[in-house]
Amino acid sequence: GDSVTQMEGPVTLSEEAFLTINCTYTATGYPSLFWYVQYPGEGLQLLLKATKADDKGSNKGFEATYRKETTSFHLEKGSVQVSDSAVYFCALGGGADGLTFGKGTHLIIQP
Amino acid sequence: GAVVSQHPSRVICKSGTSVKIECRSLDFQATTMFWYRQFPKQSLMLMATSNEGSKATYEQGVEKDKFLINHASLTLSTLTVTSAHPEDSSFYICSASETGPKADTQYFGPGTRLTVL
Repeated sequence: GDSVTQMEGPVTLSEEAFLTINCTYTATGYPSLFWYVQYPGEGLQLLLKATKADDKGSNKGFEATYRKETTSFHLEKGSVQVSDSAVYFCALGGGADGLTFGKGTHLIIQP
Repeated sequence: GAVVSQHPSRVICKSGTSVKIECRSLDFQATTMFWYRQFPKQSLMLMATSNEGSKATYEQGVEKDKFLINHASLTLSTLTVTSAHPEDSSFYICSASETGPKADTQYFGPGTRLTVL
């Protein structure tokens, strides 16, 4: 079946550091790929998505590129802020199917 | 836009009782809603897919007689945990997807924390 593997945290960075959260997947077919973010005490929010190979999703300074050849969808941001502290989930699927999630990466940004 | 609400946000019940959780899409119609369960420090696990006007589709290992799902309208799905036991304590999250071009994107509710004593 489908699966998503992402680096487990917590990941601790200083403000303005460069961020990479790795995500790789196995899937049948060509699913859409997503990054969701869960801030403390809140529900999951869609951060960005990509629907086909080589697509780049971007939002709020974050970006991720759908790499079919490496089955990856790594999340990056050039300069993180304290307000980016949250749990980030990589997921695949969409449409009539539910999403398959990675375990989540807890990101802590220190001032 | 694309807001999903859940009610209640927290519920504590005694073992053996049933609990109903509501999931509503507030500003869009959702032909499909999903129910997930999230264990502490774990990922979300899909429990079932709920389609308006038809029976829900359950994932392998999820007891359909224990987790009753009803999707009576295009904006409301309910999950009833019947005869709850302490092992059912968890964080239950629903999501809904729009029809049309955005159908591959799911919008999540804030979740319901269920504690069974």
